[in-house]
Amino acid sequence: GENVEQHPSTLSVQEGDSAVIKCTYSDSASNYFPWYKQELGKRPQLIIDIRSNVGEKKDQRIAVTLNKTAKHFSLHITETQPEDSAVYFCAARSGGSYIPTFGRGTSLIVHP
Amino acid sequence: EADIYQTPRYLVIGTGKKITLECSQTMGHDKMYWYQQDPGMELHLIHYSYGVNSTEKGDLSSESTVSRIRTEHFPLTLESARPSHTSQYLCASSADRKDSPLHFGNGTRLTVT
Repeated sequence: GENVEQHPSTLSVQEGDSAVIKCTYSDSASNYFPWYKQELGKRPQLIIDIRSNVGEKKDQRIAVTLNKTAKHFSLHITETQPEDSAVYFCAARSGGSYIPTFGRGTSLIVHP
Repeated sequence: EADIYQTPRYLVIGTGKKITLECSQTMGHDKMYWYQQDPGMELHLIHYSYGVNSTEKGDLSSESTVSRIRTEHFPLTLESARPSHTSQYLCASSADRKDSPLHFGNGTRLTVT
């Protein structure tokens, strides 16, 4: 089955800095890669996703890049703000399954 | 508004009690899931359903059971609660496409004393 590794587990940055979270996956058949943000005490919510036929996708201050050859994908947040503080989860979904495999999460702390 | 709803939000019960956590979605999704999560920690899949009368166990062994009699409703039952069941339980659903994201409910925070 699919295995997703996510790093780092904790990331601390100053407001205005950039933050990068990386995930690797094992199943070369995986073709859908969503990212979820979970604020303290709230539910995980989709913030951006990418499909395997695309190398990069941007939405304002966040972007996701995908390297299918190396089997890794990354979340990039620019000009971080305190409200970006949350736990971020990456996931990968294999073409043969509806079940996503989640990474263990990254706790991002943005210091004002 | 189309969403996924969980009740109760918080529940404190004694050991040995039977409980049912409710989950309903109004998005017409076929796929539904239950995750167990300690605050800010990993998401562990405990049950999923591909549609009415379809239920499967997830990766994490759980003493809970689920049912899917109606598309919109996916309740989770614990026959005899134990302190080890103390956790947050998140229900989710997704559309019938493999590139559809999960929509999560607000969760039920369960404490078993």
